[in-house]
This record gives sequence, structure tokens and C-alpha cells, in this order.
Amino acid sequence: EVQVVETGGGLIQPGGSLRLSCAASGFNVGSNYMNWVRQAPGKGLEWVSVIYSGGSTSYADSVKGRFTISRDNSKNTLYLQMDSLRAEDTAVYYCARYRTPENYFDYWGQGTLVTVSS
Amino acid sequence: LPVLTQPPSASALLGASIKLTCTLSSEHSTYTIEWYQQRPGRSPQYIMKVKSDGRYTRGDGIPDRFMGSSSGADRYLTFSNLHSDDEAEYHCGESHTIDGQVGWVFGGGTKLTVL
Repeated sequence: EVQVVETGGGLIQPGGSLRLSCAASGFNVGSNYMNWVRQAPGKGLEWVSVIYSGGSTSYADSVKGRFTISRDNSKNTLYLQMDSLRAEDTAVYYCARYRTPENYFDYWGQGTLVTVSS
Repeated sequence: LPVLTQPPSASALLGASIKLTCTLSSEHSTYTIEWYQQRPGRSPQYIMKVKSDGRYTRGDGIPDRFMGSSSGADRYLTFSNLHSDDEAEYHCGESHTIDGQVGWVFGGGTKLTVL
């Protein structure tokens, strides 16, 4: 059975840092396009970042230079290091696998809430 | 960058039909989009992919009362025989490649109320 579980969210002051983790089971994180997608309170979905099976990465302009996506294949875990956090980063952060070649997000975690506030 | 526009809300009676709309920016009117359902307090779930020619592909386990279609820059998700558990937020999204970088864009979502 496939499971995707995010952890690491919480309350953080503006300018602070936080690291999110996404532990997967039932498939290999390192063999897939793994993404972070966020949803601000009462808002729509916003794609944040992807790490491809080959290891290259891509980021939304809103987080470029502040967030870093990575993975540990031995732990089958995806990470999102978030630095220089801003109030507008407040959101539920989802880890999601993008299934290829069918091209859609098929597995999502339950999400972890990040609140940036003083 | 593509822009996807969705009306913020929609409503229909139990057992009725309704069509939700996702409008692509005009210069991206040929793009394929995906529809996702997000029930309250839950994570999104893939429903289907809709192409510019109106062909659509449902995800595993999605009932055939969910249908897709297209007209110009508009992509539609049509429900027939609405159930109470269809009440949810519906998001459209698409993937694109710009300067060799792949990215994804979502619409603002439509909250569907079943009356």
C-alpha cells in the first residue's frame, strides 16, 4: 500500500527556517518526480518545487533562492528546506508524486501546516 | 506563464448535473489540463485529464458520471447525477516547460455546493 506522510510543520517567525520531511512507502522516491505543492488558507493550490528522478530540481519563482528540495533515497524521504520565511509562505504543504508518462499528481500526503507569524 | 481561471463557487441540486469551467490564458489555449477533487479537510485526488480536442481520461476508480470536454481555451468537468459527497473544491492544473524548466500551475479552485 502506498503511503505519503509529511512532517515538520509548525509556527515560525518571519525570517526563520524550517525543514519539512515526506516519508514515502510503496514506491521509490528516487525513481519518481517528487513535488511540494502548497495551499494557503482558503486559497487554491500552488506548485512549489520538484526533484526529478535524475536529481535535477526546479522551483516556483515565489520560493526560488529561499527553498531547497532534496531527498534521501536510503530513507525513501523527500525534504523541503525553507529559509527566510515570509508571512505569505503560510500554507499547508503537500508532498505529491507526479506520475509519468501519464502526467498527473497521483499520490498526495495529508499535508503539514506551516504558519509564519510573529 | 500559463494562467488558469476558475469561478470561485458553483452550486447545484442533489441528482442534477453541473459543468465546471477552467479557462486557460489565450496564448496557452491548446494545453491539456488535469482536474483534481479536494474534499473538506482532505488532500487533492486526481479525477481526469482533458485535452484541447475534448478527449479525456479518467483516473482509476473515477465513475463514468464524471466527464470532460473542451471548447477553445475552456476545459470542462461535467458531473451527472450529483451525489452529496461530490461537494468539494475542484482544482484544474497544467504542466509546462519554459526555458527547459518544467513547472506546474493551478487555477484558484471552484467550491462546489450540493444543495
